[in-house]
Amino acid sequence: GAVVSQHPSRVICKSGTSVKIECRSLDFQATTMFWYRQFPKQSLMLMATSNEGSKATYEQGVEKDKFLINHASLTLSTLTVTSAHPEDSSFYICSARTGTGYTYSNQPQHFGDGTRLSIL
Amino acid sequence: QKEVEQNSGPLSVPEGAIASLNCTYSDRGSQSFFWYRQYSGKSPELIMFIYSNGDKEDGRFTAQLNKASQYVSLLIRDSQPSDSATYLCAVYSGNTGKLIFGQGTTLQVKP
Repeated sequence: GAVVSQHPSRVICKSGTSVKIECRSLDFQATTMFWYRQFPKQSLMLMATSNEGSKATYEQGVEKDKFLINHASLTLSTLTVTSAHPEDSSFYICSARTGTGYTYSNQPQHFGDGTRLSIL
Repeated sequence: QKEVEQNSGPLSVPEGAIASLNCTYSDRGSQSFFWYRQYSGKSPELIMFIYSNGDKEDGRFTAQLNKASQYVSLLIRDSQPSDSATYLCAVYSGNTGKLIFGQGTTLQVKP
């Protein structure tokens, strides 16, 4: 159980292109989904937290107009990298968790397989 | 002081040995602790989670938690070359609800 599907797994595109990444929880309802970015040999960096039906909460330093997040249902969240540039090239990983409020502390986050984004 | 600290390693053990991975955390309000395994170029995979002081065993893996010492560890028995990966310790922040990751410990199991 607790399978998270992320697509696409790899994207190579030209500078200025917008790229959409989908994250789906396949066998559970995800009230909260998270988007991370990871550069080579570095730890995961949380970009934003999205709760179903509400606006995402972005971490300090993450441009919300650059990284658009939509969490329209309990099983789907999308991250759109708008007008991507080479510095946006990275490994983007989503995760999903059930539970809200004080129940969050008992629920693990389950990760998708990640999307490797390369902007030429 | 980092919120979650791990020795980056690499930790090298021979095949069949016990690998011991350690993690300390700074937030005394933390209640939930997780170990993830991440192979090179892949996303993290949940191995264990532990909420109460003491040991929790799952197959070859044992998680140990000591809240008084703010210390959590992962033991891997009968280590296999396929266990070679980076192991991430993660702790939910008591204040923010965010999952805080350590830098990870690289484990190398040599045949």
